[in-house]
Amino acid sequence: AQKVTQAQTEISVVEKEDVTLDCVYETRDTTYYLFWYKQPPSGELVFLIRRNSFDEQNEISGRYSWNFQKSTSSFNFTITASQVVDSAVYFCALSELFTGANSKLTFGKGITLSVRP
Amino acid sequence: AAGVIQSPRHLIKEKRETATLKCYPIPRHDTVYWYQQGPGQDPQFLISFYEKMQSDKGSIPDRFSAQQFSDYHSELNMSSLELGDSALYFCASSHSGGEGEKLFFGSGTQLSVL
Repeated sequence: AQKVTQAQTEISVVEKEDVTLDCVYETRDTTYYLFWYKQPPSGELVFLIRRNSFDEQNEISGRYSWNFQKSTSSFNFTITASQVVDSAVYFCALSELFTGANSKLTFGKGITLSVRP
Repeated sequence: AAGVIQSPRHLIKEKRETATLKCYPIPRHDTVYWYQQGPGQDPQFLISFYEKMQSDKGSIPDRFSAQQFSDYHSELNMSSLELGDSALYFCASSHSGGEGEKLFFGSGTQLSVL
């Protein structure tokens, strides 16, 4: 069975601090996809990144960066110079792939990030 | 760009009533997923449809049913509502491409059962 573990439940930082959100996953699939979603207080789920299991290159997008380490089954997310608008719940998710068409997501429990001014 | 549209945004029902949630996927997306997120919980997969056929089923109660119509919109029908059905219900859509598609989520329908 697939599983996503986000051991941190709540993190509080002061604006401009860097913060890393951890994600560890379990799967028996050799091909899989990992995602991060942001859920601000307004409730919607905002897609941040998708990474496939064959691409271990780290990715940077503005203040966001992701570190994928297949050897430790981790896909960590770092926010540099955090801002108050980064306050949200962040979910890491893993997709099961079916032959052909669609995939469903298994989510972690989420990490509540609070950024104080 | 067009996003996934869910209606209504908020719904208040009483126990044992029925509710219908609607989802309009992004144009040209052929796959729809329904997720349920209880208070303080992670989203849980309920059911998915690909090309108007049910493609997978998760922890969806027998009291719930869903379908995808010819225009690809989907409806989640919930009967004999219970207090525990109070949750945020997300619809997501994707375009199948043989890869792990990006799921684009709607803003959700907040269902409150009193």
